[in-house]
Amino acid sequence: DGGITQSPKYLFRKEGQNVTLSCEQNLNHDAMYWYRQDPGQGLRLIYYSQIVNDFQKGDIAEGYSVSREKKESFPLTVTSAQKNPTAFYLCASSILRTGVNTEAFFGQGTRLTVV
Amino acid sequence: AQKITQTQPGMFVQEKEAVTLDCTYDTSDPSYGLFWYKQPSSGEMIFLIYQGSYDQQNATEGRYSLNFQKARKSANLVISASQLGDSAMYFCAMRETFRGSTLGRLYFGRGTQLTVWP
Repeated sequence: DGGITQSPKYLFRKEGQNVTLSCEQNLNHDAMYWYRQDPGQGLRLIYYSQIVNDFQKGDIAEGYSVSREKKESFPLTVTSAQKNPTAFYLCASSILRTGVNTEAFFGQGTRLTVV
Repeated sequence: AQKITQTQPGMFVQEKEAVTLDCTYDTSDPSYGLFWYKQPSSGEMIFLIYQGSYDQQNATEGRYSLNFQKARKSANLVISASQLGDSAMYFCAMRETFRGSTLGRLYFGRGTQLTVWP
């Protein structure tokens, strides 16, 4: 079945360590997004990519990095520079079609806890 | 300025009753789309309904309808005949269709926690 797969579902990290969250889609979508969600908060955009080998910072990119080497993959690295990384991370993708607005599809999320 | 505002942190409704979740938005782009998502406690985001800025009719999907008032920049979600399974967080979102494409960012509100009681 087509969809977005995020892994792992739960992730524990020691302070000072970098960690990479995986996001893979087989929907042939051009655009991919990473959001962070804190308890009681909405979704805040970290990074997004509209095409392979290109990506843009969102509202809270500091302490995060991404790559888009393949259309189907958009991994997110949470670096040690991110001061408060404990959160729920959601990856999304959507098609690009001129003049047509379509919904974004989401993965199941990764819950990152710093211990 | 907030692109999407949801002013109701929590709402309660009795089973089988209708409920309206409020959403207002801010954009100067004439072409945009409005979305509602449901997030159960499991965390997944479930797409519910979409309204385009040029759509003449209010969108409907089963028990969900979107009360679109363009002049007021509001896009309220109406859930009819509430069910216990409707208890979840609900998010309103907007995408501006930049230059006729869907390359624009997707903005989310803070969400409304809906609780349906028997």
